[in-house]
Amino acid sequence: NAGVTQTPKFQVLKTGQSMTLQCAQDMNHNSMYWYRQDPGMGLRLIYYSASEGTTDKGEVPNGYNVSRLNKREFSLRLESAAPSQTSVYFCASSEAGANVLTFGAGSRLTVL
Amino acid sequence: SQKIEQNSEALNIQEGKTATLTCNYTNYSPAYLQWYRQDPGRGPVFLLLIRENEKEKRKERLKVTFDTTLKQSLFHITASQPADSATYLCALDMEYGNKLVFGAGTILRVKS
Repeated sequence: NAGVTQTPKFQVLKTGQSMTLQCAQDMNHNSMYWYRQDPGMGLRLIYYSASEGTTDKGEVPNGYNVSRLNKREFSLRLESAAPSQTSVYFCASSEAGANVLTFGAGSRLTVL
Repeated sequence: SQKIEQNSEALNIQEGKTATLTCNYTNYSPAYLQWYRQDPGRGPVFLLLIRENEKEKRKERLKVTFDTTLKQSLFHITASQPADSATYLCALDMEYGNKLVFGAGTILRVKS
């Protein structure tokens, strides 16, 4: 019962480097999401994918790109990392219309 | 813009007492509201969902109320235990369930 799996769990980048956060779910959910969590600000939606083949911007999409590779996988890419992107990133999934989210364990990213 | 407010100060209570956490929102009319629990270093875990036409929802020691006139939800944990210590997040739906917006969360500490 893996649920939502994120990799890597920790990453340190230098300003300007690129990287991709991977997310996979095994619950046959239609919708997938990427959030970032910063102290005192709660979870903020970066991008979401309501169904396979579609993606949409959330509240804070600048500096990020996403790919819904198939129904199981939803990746988040930072093309040119900035210190402001230092955060904990959470991937989540839900059945279409139900909107109860199942979260991954998080990926802690530090940009120096 | 939409705003969700949860007590930023930690709530400290004695074991066995009832903990009450508050979620207030403005400029928004959600169809439903959710509560999640988050432990340090882990992703949020879903607890309860309450719809706009429901006044109250219960699950074991948990109770949620939803007052759409006051734009407020209260989350109660009765007979609290040290194991209930965590951060509790409220979340509201946007766009008919395609997006969830989260509050910053309230830290609950239950002392034995």
